[in-house]
Amino acid sequence: EIVMTQSPATLSVSPGERVTLSCRASQKISSNLAWYQQKPGQAPRLLIYGASTRATGIPARFSGSGSGTEFTLTISSLQSEDFAVYYCQQYNNWPRTFGQGTKLEIK
Amino acid sequence: QVQLVESGGGVVQPGRSLRLSCAASGFTFSSYGMHWVRQAPGKGLEWVAGIWSDGRNKYNVDSVRGRFTISRDYSKNTLYLQMNNLRVEDTAVYYCAGEGVLEWPNVFDIWGQGTMVTVSS
Repeated sequence: EIVMTQSPATLSVSPGERVTLSCRASQKISSNLAWYQQKPGQAPRLLIYGASTRATGIPARFSGSGSGTEFTLTISSLQSEDFAVYYCQQYNNWPRTFGQGTKLEIK
Repeated sequence: QVQLVESGGGVVQPGRSLRLSCAASGFTFSSYGMHWVRQAPGKGLEWVAGIWSDGRNKYNVDSVRGRFTISRDYSKNTLYLQMNNLRVEDTAVYYCAGEGVLEWPNVFDIWGQGTMVTVSS
């Protein structure tokens, strides 16, 4: 099983700031990585796939990068609606596995 | 519009069974892989089981192997999760997800609203 490790677990930031979230895979997964956003009481929403391709309707302030084992999600200027939990997920191998999540909190 | 609607959750005693359903609409159900993902209270997402578009291949996480079975009914456009011998640690919101319906193969791009399963004596 591929273990996905996200850091940090929690990030306290102010609106307008730029933030970078990290995700590491325990073995190489090429670019087969997705990022999801989840708000309280809601289902997850796909943000990024292929490590760097934004899903339809996702604002340009969200960007992803990386390949192999190291990946990042960057939000260029945090908006109030971006405070949520973010999960990375690999779809290179079975079982599909998620990271434990990074929670963005308002500072 | 593309939609997944889960049902079948509830409160059940340890060792008992429950079957979850996920009704799909707005897309060609038979063309896409489908999955179940769960989230225990206050915890992260855990992929539980997946099934190919043609139903020939199924996968699940080790913790449910031998207890949970994923299946699909093409005539009803419905995904199922049969959960047997339930344990307290199976308590979670269970989401149904479709892969590659809107965006790219293998990514979970459509999700249901979730159904809560509580295992408690």
